[in-house]
Amino acid sequence: SQQGEEDPQALSIQEGENATMNCSYKTSINNLQWYRQNSGRGLVHLILIRSNEREKHSGRLRVTLDTSKKSSSLLITASRAADTASYFCATRSDRDDKIIFGKGTRLHILP
Amino acid sequence: KAGVTQTPRYLIKTRGQQVTLSCSPISGHRSVSWYQQTPGQGLQFLFEYFSETQRNKGNFPGRFSGRQFSNSRSEMNVSTLELGDSALYLCASSLGRGNTGELFFGEGSRLTVL
Repeated sequence: SQQGEEDPQALSIQEGENATMNCSYKTSINNLQWYRQNSGRGLVHLILIRSNEREKHSGRLRVTLDTSKKSSSLLITASRAADTASYFCATRSDRDDKIIFGKGTRLHILP
Repeated sequence: KAGVTQTPRYLIKTRGQQVTLSCSPISGHRSVSWYQQTPGQGLQFLFEYFSETQRNKGNFPGRFSGRQFSNSRSEMNVSTLELGDSALYLCASSLGRGNTGELFFGEGSRLTVL
C-alpha cells in the first residue's frame, strides 16, 4: 500500500460533532502535513507537525504524530458545514525525498 | 500577493496529441512541484523543481516532462496523450526546497483526453 494512507476513506457526521481522521506512512519523515481540498479545487495547507513534535493545535484543529507507529491523526472539533471537504496527509520521505500524499478522507458534515 | 496560477484551467485533447500546462508560482517562491490527481490513484507526485533544476521525479513514463524557467515559472508537457492521462494536474510552490514548509497549490488544470 502507498505511504500516507488515510482512514476512514469517507466520514459523515452531524454538524457540531468532532471528526477524526488517521494517516499512516512507511518511511522516516522530516514532517507531516495535512491539507484540505474542496471538490475539484486546489489543496489548502492546514497544519504541519515536525517529526520531533507529538501534538499541535491550530484553532479547531488538533494533530498528533506518533513516529514509533508511523501514524498521525487530525481532529476537527465542533464541525461546521464548511468543513465538508477531502483531507489529505502529506509526507516527504527521508529516503528518496519524494513528496507523498495519501488518498484522502472525504468528510461530509450533515446539517 | 497573488497565489499560484495555473493555465489553462480546462482543456480537452484527443489521444495522441500533446499538451503543455503552465504554472506561475507565488512571487519569491523558487520550488515548484507537480501532481496528477485521479479518482482511482489519488494524488501522485510527478516532479519537483528548484532553481531550474529537477530535484525529484515520480514514477511516470517519459511522456511526462517538465521544466522550470529562471523566473521560477514552470511548465509540464505530456506527449502522445492516452485516455488514462485524463486528470486534474496540480502545481504547488514553496519558498525553499519544500521539505520543511507548506505547499501552496494552484486551482489545477483539468485535462480530458477523448
